[in-house]
Amino acid sequence: AQSVTQLDSHVSVSEGTPVLLRCNYSSSYSPSLFWYVQHPNKGLQLLLKYTSAATLVKGINGFEAEFKKSETSFHLTKPSAHMSDAAEYFCVVRAPGGAQKLVFGQGTRLTINP
Amino acid sequence: DAGVIQSPRHEVTEMGQEVTLRCKPISGHDYLFWYRQTMMRGLELLIYFNNNVPIDDSGMPEDRFSAKMPNASFSTLKIQPSEPRDSAVYFCASSGQSNQPQHFGDGTRLSIL
Repeated sequence: AQSVTQLDSHVSVSEGTPVLLRCNYSSSYSPSLFWYVQHPNKGLQLLLKYTSAATLVKGINGFEAEFKKSETSFHLTKPSAHMSDAAEYFCVVRAPGGAQKLVFGQGTRLTINP
Repeated sequence: DAGVIQSPRHEVTEMGQEVTLRCKPISGHDYLFWYRQTMMRGLELLIYFNNNVPIDDSGMPEDRFSAKMPNASFSTLKIQPSEPRDSAVYFCASSGQSNQPQHFGDGTRLSIL
């Protein structure tokens, strides 16, 4: 069965400093992995996705993530945090073969300090 | 382009009442998903449809919950009778062909008193 573990429930950084949100996955197969962002009172918005092409995936708003099979990790990074990045971030895994079920991590709340 | 549209955005009602949540998926999307989000359990998939047909309802908590998709542009999630533990944010999402990402609506915040 597929699962994801987000290693930090809360991350706090200063504006202009790098962001690192950690995610480890467990999957018997080559997984599809996603990062979604949720702003207050909003639905989830796709930041980026990995589907077995390039291991370094670039997303929207300057975010990127690197798939590391040896470490079973898919950490999300951004070189310089902006106040508008404050939100909840979810690491998500989907089983291969056309399966539609997504499994969500518990989320990491990102706080940006001025 | 219009995204996934959910209504109402907020619903407050007393326990025992019937609650109906509505969703309009993105036009042309073949898959529709209903999720529930709570602090305790995070995001849970309740049910999903493909071409209006329910494919997997194993996440539906109990018989009080039912979902329908009468056509490609509309789905409902109904709770009858409602209970306080049903209080949560309910999200609808849709996607195109398999392997395409899911697009979420802004959710319905449900409070059962």
